[in-house]
Amino acid sequence: AQSVAQPEDQVNVAEGNPLTVKCTYSVSGNPYLFWYVQYPNRGLQFLLKYITGDNLVKGSYGFEAEFNKSQTSFHLKKPSALVSDSALYFCAVRPMDFYNTDKLIFGTGTRLQVFP
Amino acid sequence: DADVTQTPRNRITKTGKRIMLECSQTKGHDRMYWYRQDPGLGLRLIYYSFDVKDINKGEISDGYSVSRQAQAKFSLSLESAIPNQTALYFCATSDFRTTYNEQFFGPGTRLTVL
Repeated sequence: AQSVAQPEDQVNVAEGNPLTVKCTYSVSGNPYLFWYVQYPNRGLQFLLKYITGDNLVKGSYGFEAEFNKSQTSFHLKKPSALVSDSALYFCAVRPMDFYNTDKLIFGTGTRLQVFP
Repeated sequence: DADVTQTPRNRITKTGKRIMLECSQTKGHDRMYWYRQDPGLGLRLIYYSFDVKDINKGEISDGYSVSRQAQAKFSLSLESAIPNQTALYFCATSDFRTTYNEQFFGPGTRLTVL
C-alpha cells in the first residue's frame, strides 16, 4: 500500500536553532512531494513542493526541503527557527498513478514547537 | 482575494441527524475535494470532483454523500450522523490548467456528533 510516514509526532527546538521535520514515503514511480502547514484554527497552507530537478527546494517563510530518492525521504528544514513557526506540519505525496487526479496521500502530521 | 470558504465553521449535532457542510470557492478551480482530519491519522480523502458531472469516492466515503451544485460549490452530507464522524472537515480545490499544482484548503468545519 502506498503511504507517507512522519515518524515524529512532535519536534521541539529552541528559537534560532535549525529545525528538521522528517518525512519518508512508499509509493510507486516518481511522486510529487508537498509540505503543508496548519496553524491553530486554520486550514492547511501550502509551503513548498518538489516535482523534478534540484533536490533542494525552497518555499515560504524560509523553509526548504531536501528530496532524497535513494532514501525516499523529503525532510523539511529551516536554518533558524522562529516561535511563530510553531504549528502542525503535514507531508503529502501525489503518486504517479494519481497523475490525472491531484489526489494526495497525507502523513499523520508533526507538531513543531519552537521555544523562546 | 480568491478564496475557499466553508460553512458552518463549527457544528454540534446528535446521532441520526442529517448534516450538510458547504464549500464555496472563488478561485475558478475545477477540482474540489473533501477531507476529514482526525488526531494521529492526518487527512483522509472522502470524495473528490473534477467538474460538475464528475464525482468520485475517496478512501473513506461510507456514510457520506456529496453534491457539486456548480463549479464553485461542493457540499458534503452526512445522511445519518454517528459519533465516529466527529472530526475536522476540510474542503480543498486545485486547478487542472496548472500542471503539478498544489491544493488550496478552506478553514475547516469542526463537527461534533453526540
